Amino acid sequence: DQQVKQNSPSLSVQEGRISILNCDYTNSMFDYFLWYKKYPAEGPTFLISISSIKDKNEDGRFTVFLNKSAKHLSLHIVPSQPGDSAVYFCAASVYNQGGKLIFGQGTELSVKP
Amino acid sequence: EAQVTQNPRYLITVTGKKLTVTCSQNMNHEYMSWYRQDPGLGLRQIYYSMNVEVTDKGDVPEGYKVSRKEKRNFPLILESPSPNQTSLYFCASSLTRNSYEQYFGPGTRLTVT
Repeated sequence: DQQVKQNSPSLSVQEGRISILNCDYTNSMFDYFLWYKKYPAEGPTFLISISSIKDKNEDGRFTVFLNKSAKHLSLHIVPSQPGDSAVYFCAASVYNQGGKLIFGQGTELSVKP
Repeated sequence: EAQVTQNPRYLITVTGKKLTVTCSQNMNHEYMSWYRQDPGLGLRQIYYSMNVEVTDKGDVPEGYKVSRKEKRNFPLILESPSPNQTSLYFCASSLTRNSYEQYFGPGTRLTVT
């Protein structure tokens, strides 16, 4: 049972345009959400996060939006750059559950020059 | 440099031959865990450790063992590997069990024939 789902395995955008990556979850107990970025032959690296008490968090070109009623979050990258090409994982966690992260399947983003 | 290291990075082995994948972190983190990444499934937690001598099962622990004798090391042991354990493995660490952001190692690509 996949509690965190990323339904788009891949996404291709033009350099300079907006990239929007989506993530849905089923467990209403999740109270913290994270996005990780992964390049080939490397481990995932933390990108941005959001607490369930917020609906938006920004860090430079990256913004995460959380819609709790829809159990949906999205990552916006504006403007997209070729160096953003990577696999993006959405993850969710419940406070006091041993630091466990539940990951989505990942979306491979390709930003074309 | 703060990092999580894993060895080996690549391993091809045969069914039933015991192996150990080492993981070490130099950040004095209390919490460490192992994940496996499989196509279409994202990352799934195998085992985790909240501190020295404290380990527990994650979502997919069957066929794996771990130990945490020192704070910095968290080896993953496959006593009798099988082909369904062919996967990409990541070790991760975080400051405490309640630190959401986890730092990942570079990964170990394991093939069991």
